[in-house]
Amino acid sequence: GAGVSQSPRYKVAKRGQDVALRCDPISGHVSLFWYQQALGQGPEFLTYFQNEAQLDKSGLPSDRFFAERPEGSVSTLKIQRTQQEDSAVYLCASRSGTRDTGELFFGEGSRLTVL
Amino acid sequence: EDQVTQSPEALRLQEGESSSLNCSYTVSGLRGLFWYRQDPGKGPEFLFTLYSAGEEKEKERLKATLTKKESFLHITAPKPEDSATYLCAVLVGGNTPLVFGKGTRLSVIA
Repeated sequence: GAGVSQSPRYKVAKRGQDVALRCDPISGHVSLFWYQQALGQGPEFLTYFQNEAQLDKSGLPSDRFFAERPEGSVSTLKIQRTQQEDSAVYLCASRSGTRDTGELFFGEGSRLTVL
Repeated sequence: EDQVTQSPEALRLQEGESSSLNCSYTVSGLRGLFWYRQDPGKGPEFLFTLYSAGEEKEKERLKATLTKKESFLHITAPKPEDSATYLCAVLVGGNTPLVFGKGTRLSVIA
């Protein structure tokens, strides 16, 4: 596609529910990142994929957070047993290369509200 | 710990009133410094990459500069459409993620 596509754009979950957020990166982009952005804050790193390999998951806040990219394209971020502190915008970004050239292309994000 | 601090948190300008946003960083081994623009409800949009002290980049009314400790985003004669949050991010090295600051919310009033 022309850009990074994320769905759903908005998700409201009751505390304790599981949610799944999808990211469709720019076609051919090798690197994929997930970031979490709380209101009024900058994006904070969650996890990084190079093709289908999850090379860094040091930013995942707890074992309730799980991400996958099984075929090296679409990625899913899953949050189990959601808590109110999980409320945030979840941003996906992709990059064409594996080298740290830095320029990331972001999607519009998935806004999660946990009640 | 690598840190990125942006100031001010918020800035309100009259149309045509030039100003600068600051991004200071304390990192070991800076590989690059990046500026992004973020509109409400949107993802960050890439503006500039700076790699070494003394480097400058320009785009329309924006100019980014870099020293060994900080970067400035200069806005010349801003227009209301320049209103957005401007994010600074640093890349330390390897396949490491960008580390973002909290951003500066810019409002330009006509």
